[in-house]
Amino acid sequence: GQNIDQPTEMTATEGAIVQINCTYQTSGFNGLFWYQQHAGEAPTFLSYNVLDGLEEKGRFSSFLSRSKGYSYLLLKELQMKDSASYLCAVADNAGNMLTFGGGTRLMVKP
Amino acid sequence: DSGVTQTPKHLITATGQRVTLRCSPRSGDLSVYWYQQSLDQGLQFLIQYYNGEERAKGNILERFSAQQFPDLHSELNLSSLELGDSALYFCASSANPGTDTQYFGPGTRLTVL
Repeated sequence: GQNIDQPTEMTATEGAIVQINCTYQTSGFNGLFWYQQHAGEAPTFLSYNVLDGLEEKGRFSSFLSRSKGYSYLLLKELQMKDSASYLCAVADNAGNMLTFGGGTRLMVKP
Repeated sequence: DSGVTQTPKHLITATGQRVTLRCSPRSGDLSVYWYQQSLDQGLQFLIQYYNGEERAKGNILERFSAQQFPDLHSELNLSSLELGDSALYFCASSANPGTDTQYFGPGTRLTVL
């Protein structure tokens, strides 16, 4: 089976840096995705990691350690529009299905 | 805009009824996925189709069924609806199965009264 854990809520200040952690225990692993989801809207793709290490994309970076079953999403220079839920998802061995964590609701305050 | 379209946006119906949700994937994508998102369950994978064939099944109830047509659009049929089926239903598409990124449609909000 798949078990994915993320903090339920986080609060950060505009302009700051925030790190959202995700730990997983899965029977298969074919990569880890991060999605952003504003309330009532579709999840939008942020990043994909399949090898260990850091992937940087503008203000967002994502890190993966397969041996530790751990990933994080790093958001820099926070903006008010970054207030959203951030979903961690693991692809199974065949890559057919994504198992999502419960999501981390991030509130950015002025 | 992901390029994935879903209709209708909102659907209100009564218990015991049957509804059909429709999804058109991004141009060129062969794989379609259906997900259910309710407040207490998070985003749950239901089923995947690839080029018309069922490819993977997740936590899909027997009352639910889906298919993908030759033009690659997909429909999710929900029958004998219960109050607990009220949720957001998302369709996603990718070029191929495997680890190609899945792009999500805007969702259909189903309310069962």
